[in-house]
Amino acid sequence: AQTVTQSQPEMSVQEAETVTLSCTYDTSESDYYLFWYKQPPSRQMILVIRQEAYKQQNATENRFSVNFQKAAKSFSLKISDSQLGDAAMYFCAPNAGGTSYGKLTFGQGTILTVHP
Amino acid sequence: SAVISQKPSRDICQRGTSLTIQCQVDSQVTMMFWYRQQPGQSLTLIATANQGSEATYESGFVIDKFPISRPNLTFSTLTVSNMSPEDSSIYLCSVTLSGRVDEQFFGPGTRLTVL
Repeated sequence: AQTVTQSQPEMSVQEAETVTLSCTYDTSESDYYLFWYKQPPSRQMILVIRQEAYKQQNATENRFSVNFQKAAKSFSLKISDSQLGDAAMYFCAPNAGGTSYGKLTFGQGTILTVHP
Repeated sequence: SAVISQKPSRDICQRGTSLTIQCQVDSQVTMMFWYRQQPGQSLTLIATANQGSEATYESGFVIDKFPISRPNLTFSTLTVSNMSPEDSSIYLCSVTLSGRVDEQFFGPGTRLTVL
């Protein structure tokens, strides 16, 4: 079974600044995907960024990037030039193969507040 | 991508009753999942809805409480049976496209309140 830990229940950042959200996980699988999802007050789950575990290069999507440390099973999300619209709950979620094919295990979430 | 709709978007129900939530996708998908999100909490997988066969339930969830149907590749229902206030949650369905696990698409969720 997978476990996911997001140790920061809440984070805050000033608009235009940078913030990093942390995530650690445990899995017995060797090939898997890792995701960060955002859930604004509308409750719609929005994919922010994904990382394939076999790729060493860290994924980037515009202002969002990850620091993926496979050996340490760490997958942090960096948001640069934070905007008011980034305020939301952020969830880290590995998606393993094998018998857990397709299933997502979510961390506890981090509430991000962006101050103008 | 996939566009997912859920009905109802929200409901208030009395304890002891049952509610069926529908999930409709605009394209044929391989895998459909149902998640529960209790107030202020993370998402927990309830079950995988299998087309043409019984759903596969995660530990802590049983078919008698959460019966699931999936009659075809674009539609599924989740029933919350004999409800209690502890069932008050957001229920979300999600899908993966054929042969792909690099993205999972979520419906808008159903907010259920049990009095």
